[in-house]
Amino acid sequence: SQKIEQNSEALNIQEGKTATLTCNYTNYSPAYLQWYRQDPGRGPVFLLLIRENEKEKRKERLKVTFDTTLKQSLFHITASQPADSATYLCALPGGTTDSWGKLQFGAGTQVVVTP
Amino acid sequence: DGGITQSPKYLFRKEGQNVTLSCEQNLNHDAMYWYRQDPGQGLRLIYYSQIVNDFQKGDIAEGYSVSREKKESFPLTVTSAQKNPTAFYLCASSITGQGEQFFGPGTRLTVL
Repeated sequence: SQKIEQNSEALNIQEGKTATLTCNYTNYSPAYLQWYRQDPGRGPVFLLLIRENEKEKRKERLKVTFDTTLKQSLFHITASQPADSATYLCALPGGTTDSWGKLQFGAGTQVVVTP
Repeated sequence: DGGITQSPKYLFRKEGQNVTLSCEQNLNHDAMYWYRQDPGQGLRLIYYSQIVNDFQKGDIAEGYSVSREKKESFPLTVTSAQKNPTAFYLCASSITGQGEQFFGPGTRLTVL
């Protein structure tokens, strides 16, 4: 069955450093992968989408890579700030039945940026 | 302001009661979704709708029902058949079946 794995341990990082999160998947051949940010008690907010033919994508201080051979995406937050503290979710299209529009979410990795 | 709203923010229900969660969007999106989130777990898809008057079961549809009579609205009913209904429920919408999903603020349901 399809599986998405994100590090369940919180990532504690000092302000100004780069945070790197990992999203590994198995039994998928996704056409794209998405990353979302979720703050406590709130709905996720879309950050980035990267397609299978793109190796890297950037948005401001965020960078995402997508290695379809390794079945892995890396999510980087450069020059991290305390305001970046949140849980970050990766999501891939597909489900247990057909794959239309349905996203499978990882459990997320919490990032804590300390001043 | 375009967006997606859910109400209420907190909901308490006694065992054996049905309860309906509201989801409204003014983004003119065709697709809408309901997810459930439990602590330490990813979002799990309950139901989704690609277009008005049509919806499909997601991965954990048992004990839930939906309707899609209007493009803007996609209410979710948690029935008494749902064995563990206490959770955080999120509604989302998207332009089509691909691309980013826009989420509402969520409803936290607690069964007493």
